[in-house]
Amino acid sequence: EVQLVQSGAEVKKPGESLKISCKGSGYSFTGYWIAWVRQMPGKGLEWMGIIYPGDSATRYSPSFQGQVTISAGKSISTAYLQWSSLKASDTAVYYCARGPSFYHDNNGYLPLGYWGQGTLVTVSS
Amino acid sequence: EIVLTQSPGILSLSTGERATLSCRASQSFSSSYLAWYQQKPGQAPRLLIYGASSRATGIPDRFSGSGSGTDFTLTISRLEPEDFAVYYCQHYGSSRTFGQGTKVEIK
Repeated sequence: EVQLVQSGAEVKKPGESLKISCKGSGYSFTGYWIAWVRQMPGKGLEWMGIIYPGDSATRYSPSFQGQVTISAGKSISTAYLQWSSLKASDTAVYYCARGPSFYHDNNGYLPLGYWGQGTLVTVSS
Repeated sequence: EIVLTQSPGILSLSTGERATLSCRASQSFSSSYLAWYQQKPGQAPRLLIYGASSRATGIPDRFSGSGSGTDFTLTISRLEPEDFAVYYCQHYGSSRTFGQGTKVEIK
């Protein structure tokens, strides 16, 4: 069974750094793109970026380029989303997600068929 | 960047009724790259439709997708109690953008 399990909720202060994780299991982690999606409180979904763990190829939404860093640890089947200096506006639920098992695309153009449970990040002074 | 506009913002219907949700794109793109998701409060989104009209695994056949170019539609033929939720369309091609969502609420 494909599973994406995310790290727990975080409470941080503005200016602090943070790295949240998404551990994949039940499939070959290096063979599937992993995306990150933001959902601010009471708002809609925003696609942030995507990584192919096999070679660490990464694509970012222009809105998030330079604001976050997406990475992956192949040996531990885990993808990461990190910030170097958090802002209050980073308060949101962050989801990792993967494409359906039958769907492959070299550019990471894929629908998101498997989702993690979400990580709530609260940034407040 | 392709902008997706969903309408209506809120759809108030009763169980058993038909729901028709619209997703309009700012520019034409291949229907191969259009998906629909359902999200319930406190839950992660669930993929319903990909490629504009293909149902994802395990999705009931009361959900159907159609459209091409700039106009796409999600239809729920007969609303079940568990279908009241927020629905998002997404272009998962080069723009990878989501619409702002349509809430289907109980009338």
